[in-house]
Amino acid sequence: GQQVMQIPQYQHVQEGEDFTTYCNSSTTLSNIQWYKQRPGGHPVFLIQLVKSGEVKKQKRLTFQFGEAKKNSSLHITATQTTDVGTYFCAGGDYKLSFGAGTTVTVRA
Amino acid sequence: KAGVTQTPRYLIKTRGQQVTLSCSPISGHRSVSWYQQTPGQGLQFLFEYFSETQRNKGNFPGRFSGRQFSNSRSEMNVSTLELGDSALYLCASSLGAMQLFFGEGSRLTVL
Repeated sequence: GQQVMQIPQYQHVQEGEDFTTYCNSSTTLSNIQWYKQRPGGHPVFLIQLVKSGEVKKQKRLTFQFGEAKKNSSLHITATQTTDVGTYFCAGGDYKLSFGAGTTVTVRA
Repeated sequence: KAGVTQTPRYLIKTRGQQVTLSCSPISGHRSVSWYQQTPGQGLQFLFEYFSETQRNKGNFPGRFSGRQFSNSRSEMNVSTLELGDSALYLCASSLGAMQLFFGEGSRLTVL
């Protein structure tokens, strides 16, 4: 079955620094979605990528979908304490497969 | 517009008991998905319902079941509870193959 893997599992970032989290699928994806879950909260949708090579930006967050539609990345610039949480990528249609997530902590 | 509502939010059961969790989707959303979230396994897909029909099912034993009613509200049931069933159970609704809107979840503890 389809497997979605994320690296790294944990990301400890100094406030103001940049970091990238990566998502890889064992199969070609029709689309990929990214979610953020704050500590004690529930996953909240961030963005959906559909096209090969697509790049989308949301303020300090840049999302990219690979040319082969089997990988994706999330890059955050100038990390802030509000970025704390777990970021999940998910692929598939009606049966979204979630990666294990990257848990981000920020050192002030 | 009201979000996805899950009840109960917290519950404690003992091994061997059964539990029923409820989910009310966002108005107009006909697709409801259920996920199990544990620290070690992340978000695991349980099943997805659309217009009262189960369209997709994850790799969980038959003790896990669900249903959807004509008003799109959904329930999931876990019978013969095991310690390993302790988890956060998340319900999500959507308009189709689009973004999921998650509820706050039902946190189940099995003693």
